[in-house]
Amino acid sequence: GNSVTQMEGPVTLSEEAFLTINCTYTATGYPSLFWYVQYPGEGLQLLLKATKADDKGSNKGFEATYRKETTSFHLEKGSVQVSDSAVYFCALSRVLNNTDKLIFGTGTRLQVFP
Amino acid sequence: DGGITQSPKYLFRKEGQNVTLSCEQNLNHDAMYWYRQDPGQGLRLIYYSQIVNDFQKGDIAEGYSVSREKKESFPLTVTSAQKNPTAFYLCASKTSGGYTDTQYFGPGTRLTVL
Repeated sequence: GNSVTQMEGPVTLSEEAFLTINCTYTATGYPSLFWYVQYPGEGLQLLLKATKADDKGSNKGFEATYRKETTSFHLEKGSVQVSDSAVYFCALSRVLNNTDKLIFGTGTRLQVFP
Repeated sequence: DGGITQSPKYLFRKEGQNVTLSCEQNLNHDAMYWYRQDPGQGLRLIYYSQIVNDFQKGDIAEGYSVSREKKESFPLTVTSAQKNPTAFYLCASKTSGGYTDTQYFGPGTRLTVL
């Protein structure tokens, strides 16, 4: 079936540390891949996306590369800030039963301390 | 400003009561979605609608109902048949362009059953 697996959190870092949040997926064909971010008490915001193999999505210093050979879409940031503290969701999108559907991972909480 | 609004932000319900959560979008999107989020879990799809006057069940539709009488609106009713309704509910919308397009989310409604 189609699924997304994320590393469990929380991930705890000091400000300016390097961030990696692992995400791997299982899907047939060529899904699109997304990272969403959720700040406390809010809805999800799109962080970045990639729609085909070897594409790199980037936004606000975050990056992720669509790796078909390893079925991965790991999120990275070179220097995190306290304001990056949030829950990050990896998701894949593909057509299932003639409908576009998003399939989410369970989310990874990031805590950044000064 | 274009976006998705959900109301109310917080909702309290007594057991045995039906409640309706509002979702409105002015993005001119064709497709709309309802998700449920429980602590420490990813989002699960309740219902979705690709066009006015049409909707389909998602993965956890039991105890919920929806309507799509207008393109802008996709209200969700949580019925007394839903055994564990306390959760955070998120509405989303997207264009009908395909699975590479982004779903945009509202700020969510937190429902608590007393």
